[in-house]
Amino acid sequence: DTGVSQDPRHKITKRGQNVTFRCDPISEHNRLYWYRQTLGQGPEFLTYFQNEAQLEKSRLLSDRFSAERPKGSFSTLEIQRTEQGDSAMYLCASSRTGASYNEQFFGPGTRLTVL
Amino acid sequence: GQNIDQPTEMTATEGAIVQINCTYQTSGFNGLFWYQQHAGEAPTFLSYNVLDGLEEKGRFSSFLSRSKGYSYLLLKELQMKDSASYLCAVGAGSYQLTFGKGTKLSVIP
Repeated sequence: DTGVSQDPRHKITKRGQNVTFRCDPISEHNRLYWYRQTLGQGPEFLTYFQNEAQLEKSRLLSDRFSAERPKGSFSTLEIQRTEQGDSAMYLCASSRTGASYNEQFFGPGTRLTVL
Repeated sequence: GQNIDQPTEMTATEGAIVQINCTYQTSGFNGLFWYQQHAGEAPTFLSYNVLDGLEEKGRFSSFLSRSKGYSYLLLKELQMKDSASYLCAVGAGSYQLTFGKGTKLSVIP
């Protein structure tokens, strides 16, 4: 078990371009979460999957954002037509059902810079 | 809605004890979490409280009062490596966590 992994770790893009990030959760975890964190702030919830089903989406997730988890394992987060305000750290976390409490394990994040 | 408040910054001396407070107002409650986050790294889990009282885990303890919407994280025998941000997060009604802005703790010699 190598923990939650995310790829890439850093992404620099120009405004208007599309970007896609990948998250691989801990293998036995069926819940997967995406958060966004800006400097000096705590993580803000974006969306959540249980297996392949996307069960919750934050109002922060505009229609330029889309997330998938097609086989209930890894997940992707795509941002279309990026804007400078999208610059942030995108964190993925996972947890498992059946645990006594919902401890979420975070990945190292993908730092996005939109120029 | 959810509102979580914690101090922005704190400084403490190596070997001392520090208490980081968190107050919250949420529309539901199914637990309070504390996470530690070193600069540029992922948050790592420290503690979980769902019932009132104190939970102790080594040098770290966390307290919860649900009636007051209040929690604190107590760090004893501070070490330089404890310099980090400490995030208070509430689980309320779903599986997502709502985080405070974090408290940046600086441990000085």
